[in-house]
Amino acid sequence: AQTVTQSQPEMSVQEAETVTLSCTYDTSENNYYLFWYKQPPSRQMILVIRQEAYKQQNATENRFSVNFQKAAKSFSLKISDSQLGDTAMYFCAFMKPLQGAQKLVFGQGTRLTINP
Amino acid sequence: DTGVSQDPRHKITKRGQNVTFRCDPISEHNRLYWYRQTLGQGPEFLTYFQNEAQLEKSRLLSDRFSAERPKGSFSTLEIQRTEQGDSAMYLCASSAGTLNEKLFFGSGTQLSVL
Repeated sequence: AQTVTQSQPEMSVQEAETVTLSCTYDTSENNYYLFWYKQPPSRQMILVIRQEAYKQQNATENRFSVNFQKAAKSFSLKISDSQLGDTAMYFCAFMKPLQGAQKLVFGQGTRLTINP
Repeated sequence: DTGVSQDPRHKITKRGQNVTFRCDPISEHNRLYWYRQTLGQGPEFLTYFQNEAQLEKSRLLSDRFSAERPKGSFSTLEIQRTEQGDSAMYLCASSAGTLNEKLFFGSGTQLSVL
């Protein structure tokens, strides 16, 4: 079974700073997807960024980028020029690309606070 | 695209009562998922539908839980004889069912069992 571990329960940075959230996972699969989701106080899970394991290039989405280290099974999220609206819970998630259910396996989450 | 809608937003019930939650997915999305999120944890997969067919159920979904998706549109999740351990947020998500599908989540139903 796959497991996802986020070792930082809480993080706090000043606005405009760069912050990196850590995630490690355990799997015997060679092909899979990794995700970072954001859950603000509104509770709605919002996809931040996605990485396919077969792609060596790290995914980027505007101020958000990942450092995907497949051999180390590490998938960290970097937020540049952090904004107050980035304050939220962030969840790392894993998925096997099987036909059928998008059964995401989530980590425990990191609560990120951006201070003015 | 009005997003995934869940009702109610909060539900407080007494132990032993039955509760039912509703999820309205994004129209034209043929896949619908239910996840459960307990305090301080990430969501856990419960079950999913392809149109009206329930194709997979997690072992977390005990016999007291039942989910339906009549006509492949909205879905309901019913919990019978609720227990305090059922207290959690129940999240619904939908997707278009394509190869690189993206999940769209609702804002969840927060259940408190007293």
